[in-house]
Amino acid sequence: AQSVTQPDIHITVSEGASLELRCNYSYGATPYLFWYVQSPGQGLQLLLKYFSGDTLVQGIKGFEAEFKRSQSSFNLRKPSVHWSDAAEYFCAVAPNTGTASKLTFGTGTRLQVTL
Amino acid sequence: NAGVTQTPKFQVLKTGQSMTLQCAQDMNHNSMYWYRQDPGMGLRLIYYSASEGTTDKGEVPNGYNVSRLNKREFSLRLESAAPSQTSVYFCASTMRFSGVGAFFGQGTRLTVV
Repeated sequence: AQSVTQPDIHITVSEGASLELRCNYSYGATPYLFWYVQSPGQGLQLLLKYFSGDTLVQGIKGFEAEFKRSQSSFNLRKPSVHWSDAAEYFCAVAPNTGTASKLTFGTGTRLQVTL
Repeated sequence: NAGVTQTPKFQVLKTGQSMTLQCAQDMNHNSMYWYRQDPGMGLRLIYYSASEGTTDKGEVPNGYNVSRLNKREFSLRLESAAPSQTSVYFCASTMRFSGVGAFFGQGTRLTVV
């Protein structure tokens, strides 16, 4: 069964500092990978996705993520964090079967940004 | 430009009461999903519907039932609510899971007392 691990429950960074949120997955083959962001009281918004090709993917709001097959990782990065980036971030994985199937989420990382 | 709409946004139930959470999407998506979100546990899949006329259990289906009423609507029913079902419920939809990702509603905060 597929699973996702986000080892950091809570991260605090200063505004303007760089950010890396970790995500490791367990799956028999290369799955489809996603990062979502959730602001307080809101639904989830897709930041970026990977399903094939270039292992460095660009998303919205200046985020990027790198897929590393050898490490089963899909870490999210941002070079300079803004106060508005404070939110909860979820990594998710789905089998690459090309059909609708279960999207499995990690437990999330809450990002706090200090001014 | 509504996307995925959930009703109600908030609900308080007494133990043993029943209710139905409604979800509708206007993006002509084939697949729809119900998740629950609990602190420290991420989002867990309750049920999903790959296409109109089909439904399948997810990770935590016990105590819930679903109905895919038509292509637009996917409802979640709690027949006899329990305090353990206190949670935030999210509906999501997608056209084809592989390349698009899922679009989420704003959530329903349910409290069972």
